[in-house]
Amino acid sequence: GAVVSQHPSWVICKSGTSVKIECRSLDFQATTMFWYRQFPKQSLMLMATSNEGSKATYEQGVEKDKFLINHASLTLSTLTVTSAHPEDSSFYICSARGGGVEAFFGQGTRLTVV
Amino acid sequence: SQELEQSPQSLIVQEGKNLTINCTSSKTLYGLYWYKQKYGEGLIFLMMLQKGGEEKSHEKITAKLDEKKQQSSLHITASQPSHAGIYLCGAGKDDKIIFGKGTRLHILP
Repeated sequence: GAVVSQHPSWVICKSGTSVKIECRSLDFQATTMFWYRQFPKQSLMLMATSNEGSKATYEQGVEKDKFLINHASLTLSTLTVTSAHPEDSSFYICSARGGGVEAFFGQGTRLTVV
Repeated sequence: SQELEQSPQSLIVQEGKNLTINCTSSKTLYGLYWYKQKYGEGLIFLMMLQKGGEEKSHEKITAKLDEKKQQSSLHITASQPSHAGIYLCGAGKDDKIIFGKGTRLHILP
């Protein structure tokens, strides 16, 4: 299957700082990318959908100014957690879809805000 | 909004035994995905079902979608330690996938 690479795998940051997470499709062009958040022992919660070259569509309850998503190219989407706080600590996973119905997932990023 | 309910939430089986995980939707499914997740890692695509009555197999894992397209089951035959993890069913909605809460599978040696 296609490969989606997420970077970094884990990150620790101080409260109040911003953190950027990258999601890359390595061997296909991702017309759509999705960002999920997962709390311990819980399922994936969809945060937003981004299409290349356009603004991301956020799910209800997700602060767009807090979680900035950029999908500048067909192989890269970034999620920036701005002014991070301890409650933003979580496991963030991206997925990417090309022209088909299958969505491929990155390996996730564990964010810890101290 | 569409909701997916998975059962059981957690499952412990002896190595070599068969097991079944269920996924029930509150609305008609137009695409049902099964993924596996190792703890703290990304998701591995298993199968996708679209047609009522459809059944797919991959190695020792078989997934079915019922005729009404509101329920799917995932069956593992002769379970192995490598099958341990979290199994997530997802419903295709518009252009995105919404997930159930997952089933945590533990395999006892």
